[in-house]
Amino acid sequence: QQQVKQSPQSLIVQKGGISIINCAYENTAFDYFPWYQQFPGKGPALLIAIRPDVSEKKEGRFTISFNKSAKQFSLHIMDSQPGDSATYFCAASTPRGYGGSQGNLIFGKGTKLSVKP
Amino acid sequence: GAGVSQSPSNKVTEKGKDVELRCDPISGHTALYWYRQSLGQGLEFLIYFQGNSAPDKSGLPSDRFSAERTGGSVSTLTIQRTQQEDSAVYLCASSLGLSVGTEAFFGQGTRLTVV
Repeated sequence: QQQVKQSPQSLIVQKGGISIINCAYENTAFDYFPWYQQFPGKGPALLIAIRPDVSEKKEGRFTISFNKSAKQFSLHIMDSQPGDSATYFCAASTPRGYGGSQGNLIFGKGTKLSVKP
Repeated sequence: GAGVSQSPSNKVTEKGKDVELRCDPISGHTALYWYRQSLGQGLEFLIYFQGNSAPDKSGLPSDRFSAERTGGSVSTLTIQRTQQEDSAVYLCASSLGLSVGTEAFFGQGTRLTVV
């Protein structure tokens, strides 16, 4: 079973601090790595995504760092705000046709982030 | 509609009964996913449809679970002889599926409670 391992399970950060969430994967065929944000009672929504041909992608206060050789990627939230309090999921997918896969999207178990004012 | 629509939003059923959960994907989206999210847990993959290809059913937890997608659009997830451990939020997502890396849009989910 393809797996994406996410840590920590929960994270408490002071307002203005940096939140860091890490993910590791096993399947080297993964070629798309999105992060999703979920607020209580809502479905997850895409936050930011990266392909393995770049080592970093930044969108506003959110940055993905990608280490292909270590098979790890992380989400950094700069200047964390109470409104960032949510559950964050990393995910990965394989190309269609690889090993019989049709491009499925596999998620980590999530990190519950609380940003204290 | 503008987004992925799931119905019902809440469902309470008695143990042993069958339930059907519906997902209306975004128009034109060829890929459709079903996930299960238990309280405080991650997103457990259940099944994935991509166009006319055979669905990836590798995540279905037992033969009590099945899903179909009619006409490449609406999908129904059926749970037969429900058990208390089936209680969870069932999430549906869709994407353009033209190539890897297209955004998956999620519905609000159906909260299933088996009593």
